[in-house]
Amino acid sequence: QLQLQESGPGLVKPSETLSLTCTVSGGSISSSSYLWDWIRQPPGKGLEWIGNIYYSGTTHYNPSLESRVTISVGTSKKQYSLKLTSVTAADTAVYYCARGPTYCTSDSCYLTHWGQGALVTVSS
Amino acid sequence: EIVLTQSPGTLSLSPGERATLSCRASQNVRVSYLAWYQQKPGQAPRLLIYGASTRATGIPDRFSGSGSGTDFTLTINRLEPEDFAVYYCQQYGSSPQTFGQGTKVEIK
Repeated sequence: QLQLQESGPGLVKPSETLSLTCTVSGGSISSSSYLWDWIRQPPGKGLEWIGNIYYSGTTHYNPSLESRVTISVGTSKKQYSLKLTSVTAADTAVYYCARGPTYCTSDSCYLTHWGQGALVTVSS
Repeated sequence: EIVLTQSPGTLSLSPGERATLSCRASQNVRVSYLAWYQQKPGQAPRLLIYGASTRATGIPDRFSGSGSGTDFTLTINRLEPEDFAVYYCQQYGSSPQTFGQGTKVEIK
């Protein structure tokens, strides 16, 4: 059974870089059938898509964040990562990793599996 | 980008009643690429419906989705106590994929 687990620092200082890793168990990122996403949710607010990555390394980003975001796959093919630079308090959120199939559009689909989420607070 | 507007913001109902949730898109949602998720406090969203009307694996048949174009509906027949939660719609037909702001279904 596929499980996703986010990990990383829960506190990041303003202007620094937020780094999170999603560990995949019960599956592999090297499958060509899936996209691997990052989504975030500020406290008490709705969901915002950050971006995703295909097993080949092809990435797609939300234009609103594209200048600050990098998503990459780890060498083990069991992890993928999110980096968000120059963070501010507005980046405080629960960050989710999630998986969806590839057969919808070139960069999006519904999301069938989600991690439990990791709260990242941006504060000095 | 496509803006999804969900209504109402909050729906107050009793167990056993029917819930009707609306999701309206600012532009046509291509190929009815619209999904619905349920989120309970402290939990990740759970996929309920995709393709506007197809139930995800393991979702009870009291959940149903309908609609096309710019207007979509999630209906929950005979609300169970575990159905009280926040529901989000998502469109994945145009980039970037976007989510609605959510509808909270609360116990009356």
